[in-house]
Amino acid sequence: DTGVSQDPRHKITKRGQNVTFRCDPISEHNRLYWYRQTLGQGPEFLTYFQNEAQLEKSRLLSDRFSAERPKGSFSTLEIQRTEQGDSAMYLCASRSTSGSSYNEQFFGPGTRLTVL
Amino acid sequence: AQSVTQLGSHVSVSEGALVLLRCNYSSSVPPYLFWYVQYPNQGLQLLLKYTTGATLVKGINGFEAEFKKSETSFHLTKPSAHMSDAAEYFCAVGDTGGFKTIFGAGTRLFVKA
Repeated sequence: DTGVSQDPRHKITKRGQNVTFRCDPISEHNRLYWYRQTLGQGPEFLTYFQNEAQLEKSRLLSDRFSAERPKGSFSTLEIQRTEQGDSAMYLCASRSTSGSSYNEQFFGPGTRLTVL
Repeated sequence: AQSVTQLGSHVSVSEGALVLLRCNYSSSVPPYLFWYVQYPNQGLQLLLKYTTGATLVKGINGFEAEFKKSETSFHLTKPSAHMSDAAEYFCAVGDTGGFKTIFGAGTRLFVKA
């Protein structure tokens, strides 16, 4: 399978704990996006990378959130001191800036976070 | 700023009936428009997209959408609903730079036998 993969698919944690999610994009895609989706809502943009550079962050991304893409391939999203309001589905997407599908984002299956 | 409004959080149709999911957008620049489908506990799958050119766009699974600039709309249709079409559908607008995509709140489609 050469699609976008995310790990873990599900994470249950206690309030105050730190969690880290991983996203592996499609290999030739240079752009990588993180979104958050809460129940009954559409995905909300969090941040995006062009290769290893983080080019934009949403105001939704508080200082407890940090994302990295150190070698321009996989990315991690870390949430420190989790709160119950962080419970959501975290979606990763990747995109190529060339080719016939250059304006299409390909989504991973998501990581569902539950904070108790 | 760009935004998307999906009219109706839930739509119910009978199997074989027309599916119509409504989407209006606002954008200060020529938009890219998308419809995605999401099945439970899965990521989003692209149904179709409008970038430039023909305003009637055909997608997968028999869906199509028409870009109407004067109405700022991009409604999704399918002539005959199947049970397998039951899912959540998201309309989205992207800027031409492709930096991010703004999604609507979604419309859940129910298909009755």
